[in-house]
Amino acid sequence: KAGVTQTPRYLIKTRGQQVTLSCSPISGHRSVSWYQQTPGQGLQFLFEYFSETQRNKGNFPGRFSGRQFSNSRSEMNVSTLELGDSALYLCASSLSEGNQPQHFGDGTRLSIL
Amino acid sequence: GESVGLHLPTLSVQEGDNSIINCAYSNSASDYFIWYKQESGKGPQFIIDIRSNMDKRQGQRVTVLLNKTVKHLSLQIAATQPGDSAVYFCAGDHSGGYQKVTFGTGTKLQVIP
Repeated sequence: KAGVTQTPRYLIKTRGQQVTLSCSPISGHRSVSWYQQTPGQGLQFLFEYFSETQRNKGNFPGRFSGRQFSNSRSEMNVSTLELGDSALYLCASSLSEGNQPQHFGDGTRLSIL
Repeated sequence: GESVGLHLPTLSVQEGDNSIINCAYSNSASDYFIWYKQESGKGPQFIIDIRSNMDKRQGQRVTVLLNKTVKHLSLQIAATQPGDSAVYFCAGDHSGGYQKVTFGTGTKLQVIP
């Protein structure tokens, strides 16, 4: 079956803009988590969604937000983009809340100019 | 808080030799550990996991060892192949229903033909 799909794969934005990234989980998976990956910080947890509700949140500012739809697809939004937001954003899905292991998509590479 | 880190950022291994990648964790509450492999341009891929009630688990060419006394785990890859070249992450989680897995920064494995 199809894996986790993230769109777009690459994105270039300028400071101050906002961006929306999309994630389609593996069919049947209801939990979606988002991570930010940078060379210096590694993989940092952003948030997890299950049943259209945010279940847990990492230590990121309020500019980072997300949502989950009834079909389990998820989006994350970053407003007022900063240079430091340049990163690979990874989405991971699992069968249910807190369930392991997670299955990752190939990410969206966001570059801020 | 949880902290999962890796001892070495880069590991070079001759093709056919065994590889050992190490990882340390700080949270004694962690009861589930995962190893991921990330190839260039792709998201992390699940390799093997282990629960804290075990000290060893074997997969195909891979073995994970867990030493709870010193809070250390390792990933052993037998007969390393060029296709094993990637960044390897360990991750720790604890039962509680929340998807707040903490990842180490990763070890880059380079296989020398």
